[in-house]
Amino acid sequence: AQSVTQLDSQVPVFEEAPVELRCNYSSSVSVYLFWYVQYPNQGLQLLLKYLSGSTLVESINGFEAEFNKSQTSFHLRKPSVHISDTAEYFCAVTHFGNEKLTFGTGTRLTIIP
Amino acid sequence: DGGITQSPKYLFRKEGQNVTLSCEQNLNHDAMYWYRQDPGQGLRLIYYSQIVNDFQKGDIAEGYSVSREKKESFPLTVTSAQKNPTAFYLCASSIVRTGVISGANVLTFGAGSRLTVL
Repeated sequence: AQSVTQLDSQVPVFEEAPVELRCNYSSSVSVYLFWYVQYPNQGLQLLLKYLSGSTLVESINGFEAEFNKSQTSFHLRKPSVHISDTAEYFCAVTHFGNEKLTFGTGTRLTIIP
Repeated sequence: DGGITQSPKYLFRKEGQNVTLSCEQNLNHDAMYWYRQDPGQGLRLIYYSQIVNDFQKGDIAEGYSVSREKKESFPLTVTSAQKNPTAFYLCASSIVRTGVISGANVLTFGAGSRLTVL
């Protein structure tokens, strides 16, 4: 069985400050990991993904996440946030041959001007 | 532009009534999914389909039904048997990856349908 834990349901951050959104997963096999973002009243969009290779993956808008197998984590980071980053962020996991993606409960990121 | 269209965006239903949510995609994706989103619970999988005329139950299929008669369409019916149907429903689609990255499907989501039971 696979599962995802996002410990922080809400994270307030001042504009231009750094942020880290935590994600820990549980799986008995090699995993594929994803971060999706949901802006208010919209569907989800893929932010970045780890399938294999380099453990550090980046998005086009300055976010990055690092796959850490020993700590079973895939934390999302950004060195300087902007008002437009206000959204809910979901971590998700699946594994080889599994069509079902398991989502975490989400972290609501609020940027304080 | 290619994408996923969900309708209606908002829907109100009386208790005891069935309601059908529409999901159409023009991305030529083989797989389609229905998720339910509740505050503080993230997304939970209701049903998914990887090919026309075939679908599988997800984690919370009770009280829901689906059909997949066309590649482009995957409607969800919320039946009167669903005890707590008020929620935000999200439809998604993906290509089906095979080979060494089988299962690494990237989902494209629709904008969602918000169902409220009165």
